[in-house]
Amino acid sequence: AQSVTQLDSQVPVFEEAPVELRCNYSSSVSVYLFWYVQYPNQGLQLLLKYLSGSTLVKGINGFEAEFNKSQTSFHLRKPSVHISDTAEYFCAVSDLVQGAQKLVFGQGTRLTINP
Amino acid sequence: DAGVIQSPRHEVTEMGQEVTLRCKPISGHNSLFWYRQTMMRGLELLIYFNNNVPIDDSGMPEDRFSAKMPNASFSTLKIQPSEPRDSAVYFCASSLSILTSTDTQYFGPGTRLTVL
Repeated sequence: AQSVTQLDSQVPVFEEAPVELRCNYSSSVSVYLFWYVQYPNQGLQLLLKYLSGSTLVKGINGFEAEFNKSQTSFHLRKPSVHISDTAEYFCAVSDLVQGAQKLVFGQGTRLTINP
Repeated sequence: DAGVIQSPRHEVTEMGQEVTLRCKPISGHNSLFWYRQTMMRGLELLIYFNNNVPIDDSGMPEDRFSAKMPNASFSTLKIQPSEPRDSAVYFCASSLSILTSTDTQYFGPGTRLTVL
């Protein structure tokens, strides 16, 4: 069975600083990987996804993530954060065996941007 | 485009009462998903449909929960009888098709359920 571990439940950073949100997954087959963002009192919105090909994936709002198969990781990065990036971020995994859209989510990382 | 629409946005009920949550997917989307979000268990997939047919309900917690999709533009998630441990935010999401790995799931704003 798949599983996702987000290593940090909370990450505080200062505005304009870089940030990395860590995600590790466990699966015995090839996976698809996703990062979603949830702003307060809203549903989840897709930031980016890795399906195949280049291991560096660029998403919306200046975020990017790198798929590392040997380390089973899919860390999310942004070189310079803004106050508006304050939100909860979820890493998710799926595969063709379980179902390409049967997403298993991590517990989430709350990103807080301080001025 | 209105996005995924859920109603009500907030529901407060008493233990033992029946609760019905509603979802209207994005027009043209053939797949619909119901999720539950709690502090303890995070975000869990409960059930998903393709072309109005339930494909996988292995995440439904128990028989008190049921979901239906009578047509392409409407789905319900029902809890009968409700219990305090059902308190959570319930999300509905839709996508073009579960058969296409590249499709994105679009989430609704959620229904916050409180069972007293």
